[in-house]
Amino acid sequence: DGGITQSPKYLFRKEGQNVTLSCEQNLNHDAMYWYRQDPGQGLRLIYYSQIVNDFQKGDIAEGYSVSREKKESFPLTVTSAQKNPTAFYLCASTGWGNQPQHFGDGTRLSIL
Amino acid sequence: GQQVMQIPQYQHVQEGEDFTTYCNSSTTLSNIQWYKQRPGGHPVFLIQLVKSGEVKKQKRLTFQFGEAKKNSSLHITATQTTDVGTYFCAGADYNTDKLIFGTGTRLQVFP
Repeated sequence: DGGITQSPKYLFRKEGQNVTLSCEQNLNHDAMYWYRQDPGQGLRLIYYSQIVNDFQKGDIAEGYSVSREKKESFPLTVTSAQKNPTAFYLCASTGWGNQPQHFGDGTRLSIL
Repeated sequence: GQQVMQIPQYQHVQEGEDFTTYCNSSTTLSNIQWYKQRPGGHPVFLIQLVKSGEVKKQKRLTFQFGEAKKNSSLHITATQTTDVGTYFCAGADYNTDKLIFGTGTRLQVFP
């Protein structure tokens, strides 16, 4: 069954700690995306990658980092520089061109 | 930069009433996509419109793409409690192809 898997579902971060959110897809999609969603808000783009070993900053990249070493995987690290990390993080992937985006179930990140 | 706004932000309706959300882009779009996010869930793709003036229907849902390809609407006829959720449009900028999600409209349906 093809899809996108995000883990963990819930994550708690301590002050000064970096945390990494996992995103894996088996849809053979080239492009992958990370979005942040705050309560009652829309989706804001953090980072995206259109090909392995390449990625671009989105609208709110400060305090985040990513890597794209494999086509299937696009992990997001929320660094200690991100002072307000509490949000719902969504990973998505898409095929060539403006095909629809497929989303994972998301990770809810909170500060301890 | 490109902005995509949706109105209204919230809509509460009685079951059986109709519902419409409007999506407006500051730039011309090559296509527009619509997604539905149930409470606590993730966005799920509903439909994509590409042609100017295009109208598509999915059962009780009618989607329209404006003639100038800068606006779109989603109309739900005779809402049901299963329609509850947030509806997002996402427009691809004609020049950059970058996809920008709208601000969303949260629909609540009372039985």
